[in-house]
Amino acid sequence: AQSVTQPDIHITVSEGASLELRCNYSYGATPYLFWYVQSPGQGLQLLLKYFSGDTLVQGIKGFEAEFKRSQSSFNLRKPSVHWSDAAEYFCAVSGTYKYIFGTGTRLKVLA
Amino acid sequence: DADVTQTPRNRITKTGKRIMLECSQTKGHDRMYWYRQDPGLGLRLIYYSFDVKDINKGEISDGYSVSRQAQAKFSLSLESAIPNQTALYFCATSDPGQGYYEQYFGPGTRLTVT
Repeated sequence: AQSVTQPDIHITVSEGASLELRCNYSYGATPYLFWYVQSPGQGLQLLLKYFSGDTLVQGIKGFEAEFKRSQSSFNLRKPSVHWSDAAEYFCAVSGTYKYIFGTGTRLKVLA
Repeated sequence: DADVTQTPRNRITKTGKRIMLECSQTKGHDRMYWYRQDPGLGLRLIYYSFDVKDINKGEISDGYSVSRQAQAKFSLSLESAIPNQTALYFCATSDPGQGYYEQYFGPGTRLTVT
């Protein structure tokens, strides 16, 4: 079955610290992978996407993600977190007609 | 102007009332989707439409209906709202011609059923 797992429901980091949010997927074919961010009370903003090619993908706001086929993972990283990064983050895999979303990771940033 | 718009943005309604959420897009995409978001559950697909005459149920369609009035418009109806339909609802579009099925989301409608 197709699925996306975000094992961390909540993550807390200090401002300036590095961040890694985990995403594992189960998908039979070549996956198309996405990370979205949702700030409180806001809609979904696309951070980055992976379709093919270079497995390290750069996104907006200083985020990057690495596709690892052998581990079925697409983890999101940022070298130095800012207080404004506090939000909920969703990983998604695209099938032929729909997205399958993970349940999200809520990031809290300590000043 | 936003490519995908949703109205209303917020709505409070009572149990048993009929309510319609509307979605419009200017992206020219054939495919449109309705999702609901609940805390801890991510986004789940309610209905999707590949064109005006092709409408399909998603994983959680019970209690909902949809209408695709035109390529650009896709409405979601709750015939008799119940409290557990309180959620954030998103409309999305996609263009299969892109080859990678990226979806573009509206700003969401926050629905509260009392």
